[in-house]
This record gives sequence, structure tokens and C-alpha cells, in this order.
Amino acid sequence: QKEVEQDPGPLSVPEGAIVSLNCTYSNSAFQYFMWYRQYSRKGPELLMYTYSSGNKEDGRFTAQVDKSSKYISLFIRDSQPSDSATYLCAMAPTGGGNKLTFGTGTQLKVEL
Amino acid sequence: DTAVSQTPKYLVTQMGNDKSIKCEQNLGHDTMYWYKQDSKKFLKIMFSYNNKELIINETVPNRFSPKSPDKAHLNLHINSLELGDSAVYFCASSQVDRYNEQFFGPGTRLTVL
Repeated sequence: QKEVEQDPGPLSVPEGAIVSLNCTYSNSAFQYFMWYRQYSRKGPELLMYTYSSGNKEDGRFTAQVDKSSKYISLFIRDSQPSDSATYLCAMAPTGGGNKLTFGTGTQLKVEL
Repeated sequence: DTAVSQTPKYLVTQMGNDKSIKCEQNLGHDTMYWYKQDSKKFLKIMFSYNNKELIINETVPNRFSPKSPDKAHLNLHINSLELGDSAVYFCASSQVDRYNEQFFGPGTRLTVL
């Protein structure tokens, strides 16, 4: 079993839909939870991160962490075709020697 | 004014050859990383350097040797290339105490024939 599990999709939604992307994990030492977006043939770019539990909002994006369930989510409101990309969750413990553990990514397609 | 750059972008080579990939960052970060992304998009850390010192060395064949001439550069040399080395290799950088905020380069797509 991988430390971080993520449904690879593909997930196809109509423009304007609310998208929910999720990851589960097994390592209770993880304290940093990140979401990266990767467009086709590009490098991943950091969207947002949270530390420990709770919610964080940035424009149309909301990240949620539920440490009791070892479950994290990224919600995208009013999805746009430009949101079509692969979304990777990543996690790290504090003082973990700089190592991020990534999920396999969920491919999202937002259609007109 | 690219933040993290890699060369070459594409690399096609024969099995058994030796090749290098170069990475440079102009963000003033002191930590740099090499990742391998396989065909299923799984991104896995290979190495991490902090201020020219190796701090992460995952289970990677010793045919892969990173080298950091200074804190703005991290190169990856691969000896005796194998078919299974075909992947996209990403360089990334961060501040040492903000390792959760890593900035990635555009990737080098390596194809071994």
C-alpha cells in the first residue's frame, strides 16, 4: 500500500461545476499538506498548502484536511476549462528532511 | 526570468550511454531536488541538496550521481542508461525551512532506446 493514495481519474466535469479532489494517507506523521497543479508537459506548480488540520481558501480553491480520517480534499468552485490539468497532492512531516511524498495525481478535464 | 530551468528539455539516447541533465535556479534558494516522474505520473524524490550538501538520497541505482557545484545549480549524471530510466526528470528548489513550498522546473523528458 502506498503512503498516499489518489484516484487517477480522469475526472470530466462541465464548466462551472464544483470539483472535489481527494487523497488519503497512512503516515500519521504528515503535517504539511500541499496541492500541486501540473499542466500537460509542464512542471508541477504549488497551488496551496495547509499545516495540520483545517481549511484554507484561496479564490476559487479550498483545501481541507481531516487528520482524524487521514483524508485531504481540494475543492474548485466555478471550474473553468483552464483548470484542466493533473492535480497532485503532496505531504510531508515536520522536520522530515525536506522530503515530500506525492500522490499519483488526478487528471481533471473541464469541458465547455 | 525563469525561476528554475533545466537543460535539455528532451533527451533521446541509446541504452548504455552516459548523459547529464543540468538545473539552475535564480530564486536564491539553498535547497534543490531531483524527482523522477514515471509514465503513470507518479512523482518520486531521488535526491536533495542543501547548500551543496547531499541530504536526501533515496533508493536510486548508483548509476545516478547528482552534483552541486554551487547552491544555484544541481546536475544529474546518469551512467549506463537503461530502458527503465525513461521518464521525465524534474528539478525543484525551496528555502531550507520551507521545503513544503517547492518550485519545479519544466522537466527533462528522457527516452532511452
